[in-house]
Amino acid sequence: DTEVTQTPKHLVMGMTNKKSLKCEQHMGHRAMYWYKQKAKKPPELMFVYSYEKLSINESVPSRFSPECPNSSLLNLHLHALQPEDSALYLCASSQAQGAGGLETQYFGPGTRLLVL
Amino acid sequence: GENVEQHPSTLSVQEGDSAVIKCTYSDSASNYFPWYKQELGKRPQLIIDIRSNVGEKKDQRIAVTLNKTAKHFSLHITETQPEDSAVYFCAASIPEGAGNQFYFGTGTSLTVIP
Repeated sequence: DTEVTQTPKHLVMGMTNKKSLKCEQHMGHRAMYWYKQKAKKPPELMFVYSYEKLSINESVPSRFSPECPNSSLLNLHLHALQPEDSALYLCASSQAQGAGGLETQYFGPGTRLLVL
Repeated sequence: GENVEQHPSTLSVQEGDSAVIKCTYSDSASNYFPWYKQELGKRPQLIIDIRSNVGEKKDQRIAVTLNKTAKHFSLHITETQPEDSAVYFCAASIPEGAGNQFYFGTGTSLTVIP
């Protein structure tokens, strides 16, 4: 099973709303990632969790708050977003850091977010 | 940090012809190079990858080559089919702390004309 799942598939929210995106994998992967992707652009890394600890935060505004409750779940809490935050939010996972196949990254289907 | 450049940004080929997409990277610490195919509205899907200790890898109609000295790697698709039409992203990965940092190229929009 090489599947990463994400919910919801689509989300429309106002600038004052609070919402959460969820990501789940049951492949035993210990590294999980959040990316933001605008149309026709490459994914932009936001956060990396490794062994449930935040290891990389790419200077993301505090209105995005990640959480890793356990090794299978990754959340992204959203609050007071701006219209320019509208994008496809992708979750990904990999077995671990390093070489030998452990770093192969698998993407979830994404959540398409629209901020009004 | 790492800088990955990808060319061309758009590519049109006739069905049955070959397509080549090229990427360069800047950081010699990069040791893993995946290629992703992304169809409209879908997730990036890994189609092939190569590690820094290998020069070439092939999987049916898809091949990737890596030149570590020159810091460039390429995707080759032979006998292209209309279903190969998509955006292709290259990436370079560096082990960083306890995770991997992935740096993506800007993408190539491939159109295969029937």
